Amino acid sequence: GENVEQHPSTLSVQEGDSAVIKCTYSDSASNYFPWYKQELGKGPQLIIDIRSNVGEKKDQRIAVTLNKTAKHFSLHITETQPEDSAVYFCAASGTELIFGTGTRLQVFP
Amino acid sequence: GAGVSQTPSNKVTEKGKYVELRCDPISGHTALYWYRQSLGQGPEFLIYFQGTGAADDSGLPNDRFFAVRPEGSVSTLKIQRTERGDSAVYLCASSFGTSYEQYFGPGTRLTVT
Repeated sequence: GENVEQHPSTLSVQEGDSAVIKCTYSDSASNYFPWYKQELGKGPQLIIDIRSNVGEKKDQRIAVTLNKTAKHFSLHITETQPEDSAVYFCAASGTELIFGTGTRLQVFP
Repeated sequence: GAGVSQTPSNKVTEKGKYVELRCDPISGHTALYWYRQSLGQGPEFLIYFQGTGAADDSGLPNDRFFAVRPEGSVSTLKIQRTERGDSAVYLCASSFGTSYEQYFGPGTRLTVT
């Protein structure tokens, strides 16, 4: 079955800097790759996603890139703000989502 | 519009008891998913429904776990003879279909004492 690895497990950045989180997946049949932000005590919130026929997608300060050959995808957050602090999860999907282990992002003012 | 809702938000039960967790999906979403999230981990898939039928229940850990969606909308996750290892946050998600974005509810935190 699918296996998703995510790095780093924790990431601390200064406000205004960029943050990058990387994931790899194992099943070449996976075709959908969402990213979720989870704040304490809340459910995961979908922030951006990418499908296997696209290499990059941007939404304001957030971008995701996908390399199907290498089976890895990354989340890029530019101009980070303190409210970006949360746990971020990548996932890969054929149907159900297989999640990575999460990255705790801290943005210091 | 209204998102996915889950009740109760917290449930404390004694070992050996039966519990039911409820999920109300986004109106019009035909696919519904249950996940379980242990502390410090990513959500793990349990089961998903397309309409009323369970299309894939391969993530259910054992036969103490069962889920239903009798009218293709609200779903109930049922856990019999609860064990302390069942303690986790149970998350529900819904989508328009199995190829679409999944939106999660706030979860039910289950604690088995």
